Amino acid sequence: DTAVSQTPKYLVTQMGNDKSIKCEQNLGHDTMYWYKQDSKKFLKIMFSYNNKELIINETVPNRFSPKSPDKAHLNLHINSLELGDSAVYFCASSHRGGNTGELFFGEGSRLTVL
Amino acid sequence: GDSVTQMEGPVTLSEEAFLTINCTYTATGYPSLFWYVQYPGEGLQLLLKATKADDKGSNKGFEATYRKETTSFHLEKGSVQVSDSAVYFCALRQIQGAQKLVFGQGTRLTINP
Repeated sequence: DTAVSQTPKYLVTQMGNDKSIKCEQNLGHDTMYWYKQDSKKFLKIMFSYNNKELIINETVPNRFSPKSPDKAHLNLHINSLELGDSAVYFCASSHRGGNTGELFFGEGSRLTVL
Repeated sequence: GDSVTQMEGPVTLSEEAFLTINCTYTATGYPSLFWYVQYPGEGLQLLLKATKADDKGSNKGFEATYRKETTSFHLEKGSVQVSDSAVYFCALRQIQGAQKLVFGQGTRLTINP
């Protein structure tokens, strides 16, 4: 069983479209994250939810809207896609209260905006 | 704010060579430190960690020691293999606030047979 799964793995779309990426974790973690990795491999946190509550919201355009229906799911919706949104988006999960600090990552969703 | 700086890649070595990937950090207090590895086409996975000064993290032949004097956490391996080819990320976990994980820019490592 995949611990953190994201869908779709690949997404090719036109500028101006709206798209969503879904993430689910079966590890029983209480915290989930979205990270963006650009073409140079820089990895930046975008959002973090703890028990469905938003706890980290970095400087991200408001075209990006995360939604956490329950603590096992964190979806990312992007409106009016732009060329600069092309990247690999990684979902991750962890125990917030624990001291390990270890994040478990999904395999990533590669978004290409044409 | 807190930040992590890694040596720029790409790094290319021959099999059985000695590896060092430098990592330094800037942070408030003494954060926990991590090395993550990303194999081609996969997500990141934890390689090793250290939670306090002078701790040594180790896994799969890799080691890194938490040096608070030099604010460093360099990754080393005595004899690399082709299967070690990947992108390596140094990271710190903030001890205050949102306790988020802050990553360095990643170092791509290629090992040639």
